[in-house]
Amino acid sequence: AQSVTQLDSHVSVSEGTPVLLRCNYSSSYSPSLFWYVQHPNKGLQLLLKYTSAATLVKGINGFEAEFKKSETSFHLTKPSAHMSDAAEYFCVVKGGYQKVTFGTGTKLQVIP
Amino acid sequence: GAVVSQHPSWVICKSGTSVKIECRSLDFQATTMFWYRQFPKQSLMLMATSNEGSKATYEQGVEKDKFLINHASLTLSTLTVTSAHPEDSSFYICSALDRSGATTNEKLFFGSGTQLSVL
Repeated sequence: AQSVTQLDSHVSVSEGTPVLLRCNYSSSYSPSLFWYVQHPNKGLQLLLKYTSAATLVKGINGFEAEFKKSETSFHLTKPSAHMSDAAEYFCVVKGGYQKVTFGTGTKLQVIP
Repeated sequence: GAVVSQHPSWVICKSGTSVKIECRSLDFQATTMFWYRQFPKQSLMLMATSNEGSKATYEQGVEKDKFLINHASLTLSTLTVTSAHPEDSSFYICSALDRSGATTNEKLFFGSGTQLSVL
């Protein structure tokens, strides 16, 4: 079975402080992992992806994520939050037979 | 368990035929659903917003006569790729918006996607 768990439905941080959005997955196949962001009234935008190369993946807008197989995690981080980072973030696993599973999303609030 | 069911997960069809993809919300009523397309090595692209009981809103560059969207009930939206051609081969995914909670708790749930291959 394949699944994705985003541990926090809402995360609130102050501007300039670090961001941590947590994601755990399960897959019986060597998966590819992705983080997407969705700003209000816009489509999904790919932040970064892991496809079995380097375990630390750098994405756009200063985000990065580390694939930890032993912990089955793929947490998203950013050293310093900006107001423009306020959005909803989705962790996604793509496993065997191209099956895609989305997490339930984490809404990030950035407080000025 | 899955709250949005998308069917089929795989479909292969001949050029010139039409293919229908279904997206169902299982645990909630979804007045709004979205359809995305993903080209290889690219991000998901929003194709259209489907509203129950009204015409879908298509994004710029998406042919509405090519990609027919019907949202006839609160739990079902369908995407029909008409007269499919090989260039329509892609990964299509739907999502449904659950507004049953508070406004700040709107949740977007995704189907598992449909890989369309047109021969």
